[in-house]
Formats: sequence, C-alpha cells, structure tokens
Amino acid sequence: DAGVIQSPRHEVTEMGQEVTLRCKPISGHNSLFWYRQTMMRGLELLIYFNNNVPIDDSGMPEDRFSAKMPNASFSTLKIQPSEPRDSAVYFCASSFKGTGTYFGNTIYFGEGSWLTVV
Amino acid sequence: EDKVVQSPLSLVVHEGDTVTLNCSYEVTNFRSLLWYKQEKKAPTFLFMLTSSGIEKKSGRLSSILDKKELFSILNITATQTGDSAIYLCAVTGANSKLTFGKGITLSVRP
Repeated sequence: DAGVIQSPRHEVTEMGQEVTLRCKPISGHNSLFWYRQTMMRGLELLIYFNNNVPIDDSGMPEDRFSAKMPNASFSTLKIQPSEPRDSAVYFCASSFKGTGTYFGNTIYFGEGSWLTVV
Repeated sequence: EDKVVQSPLSLVVHEGDTVTLNCSYEVTNFRSLLWYKQEKKAPTFLFMLTSSGIEKKSGRLSSILDKKELFSILNITATQTGDSAIYLCAVTGANSKLTFGKGITLSVRP
C-alpha cells in the first residue's frame, strides 16, 4: 500500500520566492493534516481538512501561508513570499475519521518536505 | 488551547537500561493519546490509548494512561541502540485535532 506521498522531498529556495508543497493522502482517508517541525518548536499543526474542508487553520503562522485541498487525493501548502524562518520540515499526514462514536484515530505521516530558505 | 508537555527533553542511557518517558496533557474533549517514534524521517505509530489503567504492550515497549491525573508514560525495557529516536506524545481533542508535544530525544549507547 502506498503511504502518504509528499513532494518535493527537499527544497532550497531564496527568500521571497514562492514555495509549493504537495501531498497525496492515503486512499480512503478523509482527514488531512499539515504539520511543521523545527528543533525549537517541535511538531506544530498548521491546518487540517476533513472531507476536503478546512476545519482548523489556527496554526497557520500568517497570511503568507495558504493551503488547499481541491479533492480527496491532493493537497497543497503554499508559502508566498518565503522567509528564512520558514525553514523546517513540513509533514503531511492523513487518517480516516468515521461518524458516530469516536475515540480518536491514528494518523499516518508522509516522509516530509525539507525546506531551506536562504 | 490544547497542550502536551513531555519530559525529560532528552535522555542518554546504556544498552540494557530501562527508561520511562513522561507525557502530561491538557485538552478539551479528550479522545485519545498517541505515542510515536521518530527516527530520521516521519513519525511512526506506537500506541493509541483511550482508557485509564489499561496497559498497551508491544515487545519491550509498554504504555499506560491516567485520565484522572492527565498523563501517560511510555516504558522501554532492555533498551537497544535501535531504540534511539525522538518519542512523540500527542493527544486528540475536539474535532479530531491532534496536538503534539515537543518530543523526548532518547540516545542509547552501546
């Protein structure tokens, strides 16, 4: 089974450039999460979608960040313009959230997009 | 705001030692607590805990949840160098939101 697929795996870009990170969740999963990981702050939730609808974007740092999920199999996280402090590993993760009684779920991570902004 | 605090931040032990990793949390509408192991790449799932007092076990790893005191521990017995990793604790709260702690860096020396 293919897991969560992210691209690019590594990106080095200059300050001010636009960066687009892509994610393909596991087929059949209906929740998708974007996380950012740094040494200082650990894993931070940026935004998550349920059934392609953004549910909570309170973790998005500022207007330079935007995320879309046009369909169940694809999402993008865009940074425009990028800044050096955006350098981090960006993880996409997916899970299945069912209806009815709900006790939590296991989410599966992609291998991350390692972003360096110089 | 949901919060997860892990301790210690880092730990160095020798092979064969037993370690206990701590996780305390504050979350609205608690659903579950999860432990992940992160080596060089993505976090990989270890345990999901939803009920107090029921130990989950997998080989040398075990974990338990105390919903009254709002914490969980992850135990690793007879540690091996392959256990060296960052161990992440996360809680699921309202609307499936998963909040992570900063992680505990475990180094196991031969």
